[in-house]
This record gives sequence, structure tokens and C-alpha cells, in this order.
Amino acid sequence: DTGVSQDPRHKITKRGQNVTFRCDPISEHNRLYWYRQTLGQGPEFLTYFQNEAQLEKSRLLSDRFSAERPKGSFSTLEIQRTEQGDSAMYLCASSSFSGNTIYFGEGSWLTVV
Amino acid sequence: GQQVMQIPQYQHVQEGEDFTTYCNSSTTLSNIQWYKQRPGGHPVFLIQLVKSGEVKKQKRLTFQFGEAKKNSSLHITATQTTDVGTYFCAGLNQGGKLIFGQGTELSVKP
Repeated sequence: DTGVSQDPRHKITKRGQNVTFRCDPISEHNRLYWYRQTLGQGPEFLTYFQNEAQLEKSRLLSDRFSAERPKGSFSTLEIQRTEQGDSAMYLCASSSFSGNTIYFGEGSWLTVV
Repeated sequence: GQQVMQIPQYQHVQEGEDFTTYCNSSTTLSNIQWYKQRPGGHPVFLIQLVKSGEVKKQKRLTFQFGEAKKNSSLHITATQTTDVGTYFCAGLNQGGKLIFGQGTELSVKP
């Protein structure tokens, strides 16, 4: 079973550096989601894709954040000029179509020092 | 914007006691999904409720979806130490976006 996979699982970076996370959804899932979670909080919606189209972006997603899903399969989330407040777990999830179960990957932990 | 509220934030119980967490949405939902997250882990899907008034059971867990499709609850009967974790409800709106509640952290004392 190939679930949602995320890479890297852990990233420590210096403030001001750029980081990129990759997500490979469950095969044939056409919806892909990005969430951010900090300690003690529920996952916060960032953005989601239907195939390669980015349907919605949260106001949480500042200009330093960009997400792509160029071929409607894997997705990348890039954070430019990282800040300490960006430290969080970035979760990717996928589903087969709107309304179906949404499955999460194990997350990518980002620590900005 | 749409909000999903979940209470209580924390619940400490003695093993064998029951546990309930409640979820309320500010808007009508297409469906509601429940997840469990262990410390250091990621949300793991438990169940999805779609129909108004729906009730589903998984062993000791009972999930309900309100008649107006704006509220939901999770009840665990006779908790065990393996039930420890944070339980999240997440409402799917008409646009396909999943909005999470703040979660209820359950601790079980043996």
C-alpha cells in the first residue's frame, strides 16, 4: 500500500533560507491538500489542488509560500526566506474526489533556527 | 469564514470511564470526518459521516452526525490506555475544503 508520502520528514534550516517539501499522494487521487500544524493545535488549511489546478489558498499562505502540482501528481510546497514562525509540521493529504475520505501523510517537520 | 469548534480541549479519565468530544460547525457540512493523532504522529482517519442524523459504531467508539449537519460527537465507552491521543473532527464544506476543530486531547490513567 503506497499511502501519502512526504519528503523530507524533518528539516532544520537557518532563518532566511528557502525550503521545499514534496508530497506524493495516493495513486489516482486527484485532490491534494496542504496543511500546517503547530503543537497543541489542529491542522490549519493552507491550499488544495484538483489535479494540477490550485483551487484555493488560505490567507495564512503569505507571499513567501508557494505550492505547485505541475502534472497533477506530486506536489511541492516552497517556503522562501524562512522565519522562526514557520516552524511547524507541514501535512499533505489526498482524496479521490470531493467528499471522499482524506488521507494524510506523516508530515514534514520544519524547524527554523 | 467557516469555523469548526471542538470541546473540551482536554479530558483526563480513569481507565474504564467513558469519554465524549463534541464538534460544532458555523456552517452546514457536506460531511464530517474524525481523526486520531498520537503524540508525534500524523492524523489518522477514523470515520466519515455523510447523512443527516447518521450514527456509526466502531467497537467502543460511537460517532454521530447532527440532523442539521452542523454538529457531531464521538463517544468512547470504557476507555483503555490505547485510546490516548488527540481526537479531531474535520468538516468538509461544499467547496471540498476540510476544516479541523482544535482537537480534544484524551489522557487515560491506568
